[in-house]
This record gives sequence, C-alpha cells and structure tokens, in this order.
Amino acid sequence: QVQLQESGPGLVKPSETLSLTCTVSTGSISGYYWTWIRQSPAKGLEWIGYVHSIGSTHYNPSLSSRVTISLDTSGNQFSLKLKSVTAADTAVYYCARSLWGYAFDLWGQGTMITVSS
Amino acid sequence: DTVMTQSPLSLPVTPGEPASISCRSSQSLLHTNGHNYLDWYLQKPGQSPQLLIYEASNRASGAPDRFSGSGSGTDFTLKISRVEAEDVGVYYCMQGLQTPYTFGQGTKLEIK
Repeated sequence: QVQLQESGPGLVKPSETLSLTCTVSTGSISGYYWTWIRQSPAKGLEWIGYVHSIGSTHYNPSLSSRVTISLDTSGNQFSLKLKSVTAADTAVYYCARSLWGYAFDLWGQGTMITVSS
Repeated sequence: DTVMTQSPLSLPVTPGEPASISCRSSQSLLHTNGHNYLDWYLQKPGQSPQLLIYEASNRASGAPDRFSGSGSGTDFTLKISRVEAEDVGVYYCMQGLQTPYTFGQGTKLEIK
C-alpha cells in the first residue's frame, strides 16, 4: 500500500529557506500530481502547489515568488523549498497525491514546521 | 481566489441520526464539461484529511456509502445518512476548478 512520508527540520529561522521532502513508499510517481498543502490556525488549509510526474509545476500565486516544488524520480521523492520564511509560514505541511490536480486521495501524516529565532 | 463558505461551523449530532453540511462558493464550480469540481474531506482528530467525495457527488474509494454529496454551481451539500461515532472530526469542502484550489473553513462534527 502506497504511503507518503514528509521529512523536514521542524524549526526554521526567519529569513531562511524551508526544505521539505516527501517520500513515496512504493509504486511509481508517474501519472500523478504531487502536491504540498499546509494548515495553520490562522489560514486553515492552504494549497501551496504541485509538480506533475512529467515535471510541470503550478504554484499558489500568494507564494509563487518564494516556492519551488521539484521531483526526484530516481528516489521516488518530491520536495518543497520555501525561501525567506516568516512566522506566518509556521504550519503543518502535508504532501498529497492526485490523479487530476484536485481530489487528493493520499496524504502524508504531516510535519509541523515552526519559524522562530 | 474563489472563497468557500461552509455552514454550520459546529454540528452536534446524535448517533444514528442524519447530518448535513453546506458549502457555498463565490464562483460557479460547474465546468463546461458538466462536472462540478468540488471535493469533501474529513479530518479526524490527530489525522490528516481524507478524501470522501470528489466532483461533488462521486464517493472516493473506501469512503462509506452513508456519505453522499450533491449540488451544482455554487451550492453544495454533504449528507451523512446515519452518523456513527467514527465520523467525528472536521469536514472541509475544496474547490478544484481553478488554481489556487481553496478550502472552506471547516465544520466540526461532534457526537451529542
């Protein structure tokens, strides 16, 4: 059974770059949209963006100047980089899978990221 | 961005009774292909969200058949025919018609 697992630093200093990785446990990355979503008390659930298995990407305009999502097909992983973080980026970050872009049928357990000095 | 508004925000329900959650979008979610791009998710306590319904009325794989979705355009409803204790959590609608995809603020279902 396919599972997703996020990994990341837990704590990031303001102005630094947040880097997260999502590992796809089994199966192929091909044919899916691989997505990052975050959840905070202030903003609720927020779609960050996706990378498709062919390499195309699409980001939330509110974050697009700071975010990069990329694929590592050899490692069955995809990653999120968010630069110049502030306290407003403190949230639980989830990776998720979709066949069509929406309808996320598989989620990781989430990883809490705190931005603080 | 499309704004998603859910009601009620809190929903106490007696086990075995039906429940209904409303979701309204600021723009129509009806595509020219006839599909409404509206998902429903349930986030159980301490867990990640899980997909219940996609395209307004299609039950996701593994979702119990007591869950059903309906609606078109800007008004949508999630119905639970008979609430069970395991249905507690926060329910979210999400529009998938236009990026950025956007979620409702959530409806917390609790057992009376």
